[in-house]
Amino acid sequence: TQLLEQSPQFLSIQEGENLTVYCNSSSVFSSLQWYRQEPGEGPVLLVTVVTGGEVKKLKRLTFQFGDARKDSSLHITAAQPGDTGLYLCAGWRGAGGTSYGKLTFGQGTILTVHP
Amino acid sequence: DAGVIQSPRHEVTEMGQEVTLRCKPISGHDYLFWYRQTMMRGLELLIYFNNNVPIDDSGMPEDRFSAKMPNASFSTLKIQPSEPRDSAVYFCASSFRRVGAYEQYFGPGTRLTVT
Repeated sequence: TQLLEQSPQFLSIQEGENLTVYCNSSSVFSSLQWYRQEPGEGPVLLVTVVTGGEVKKLKRLTFQFGDARKDSSLHITAAQPGDTGLYLCAGWRGAGGTSYGKLTFGQGTILTVHP
Repeated sequence: DAGVIQSPRHEVTEMGQEVTLRCKPISGHDYLFWYRQTMMRGLELLIYFNNNVPIDDSGMPEDRFSAKMPNASFSTLKIQPSEPRDSAVYFCASSFRRVGAYEQYFGPGTRLTVT
């Protein structure tokens, strides 16, 4: 059973289109992160959202954390070929006080943006 | 900063052989993580250390896997004996804990193929 379900698994679009990737769970997370991974490299952190309902923008990328802190979305406006990659959501549980907590990753969404 | 350094980048070995993966975390980071990534299971946490002490090894698949961190600048993940199902990309990540944010910095990974 996957704790974090990402959808869609694959997304192939044309340059200039908009897209949304979803990350859903039945569990509550203290915070949620989105990473981007390119072939042959490790994941790179894009954003951390902490508060339910929080919205963060990073240029053409908009990240939202659900009110109940169980889900999140990543929206890309006017996608470019350089956005191509694997997008991973990851949720933190149990973090606080002296506990580092545990980070659980979703399966990822492979995005391909064609010129 | 050089980032997290992993070696080797690629490893091909025969079933039954011992494999040792190496990691140098970012200087000053006090947490170190080992992950495994496959198409089927995604990115899985194997074990993590805090100040060189193993904190959570519940993700280690079985006794064939062991990890050590003899000092703050070096860690190893050993598989003995290796099996074809161990073929995957193994990532090392490091982090320092800050209130409200847990940024993990990933290395480039070691692609392991066991034949």
